[in-house]
Amino acid sequence: DSGVTQTPKHLITATGQRVTLRCSPRSGDLSVYWYQQSLDQGLQFLIQYYNGEERAKGNILERFSAQQFPDLHSELNLSSLELGDSALYFCASSAQWAGGQIGNEQFFGPGTRLTVL
Amino acid sequence: AQTVTQSQPEMSVQEAETVTLSCTYDTSESDYYLFWYKQPPSRQMILVIRQEAYKQQNATENRFSVNFQKAAKSFSLKISDSQLGDAAMYFCAYRTSSGNTPLVFGKGTRLSVIA
Repeated sequence: DSGVTQTPKHLITATGQRVTLRCSPRSGDLSVYWYQQSLDQGLQFLIQYYNGEERAKGNILERFSAQQFPDLHSELNLSSLELGDSALYFCASSAQWAGGQIGNEQFFGPGTRLTVL
Repeated sequence: AQTVTQSQPEMSVQEAETVTLSCTYDTSESDYYLFWYKQPPSRQMILVIRQEAYKQQNATENRFSVNFQKAAKSFSLKISDSQLGDAAMYFCAYRTSSGNTPLVFGKGTRLSVIA
């Protein structure tokens, strides 16, 4: 158990709909990352938040948005869903940068499997 | 932009034998981290091993070791005494050393272990 939780585990919805995926980072971790893994593909970085603020953006569609709340949990909102959005969505968290120490490891949650029909 | 390439989509190994998974990367940075993640059928991402670029010594974690060739930008994973539980997708990943930055992943290598 990585200490990162994601809900729901599975989500089935229809095209055109909107869904929200939730992530709770490990206790004390300030950074949250969202990744998308399409079928049999590697993980693509979507977006990163650090202590409530957006830190980096990857290949995130305009239909997707995210935020990190004061309690550090994060939500990824996917709207106007298309068939191609079906994927496994991972959240990961990492601690505040420790200035060169080994680590800065990202701990991954179990993922949310989204199926768009 | 940094890229990570895994040239072996699939590999297989006999139980108890040794297998090496390849990974190359492209970066202009001098300091960075490299990782191997395992993704079993459960889909959980599990960190197998990590390497800091400034360290010349290759990292080792039990049956897992890496061959890090900085000049060649190569980072291979060796699994010794392969076990059935090692069957999984293996992803090589890179990130810069400057603060908390996202991981850049390769497309993965699917490892099968034959009993």
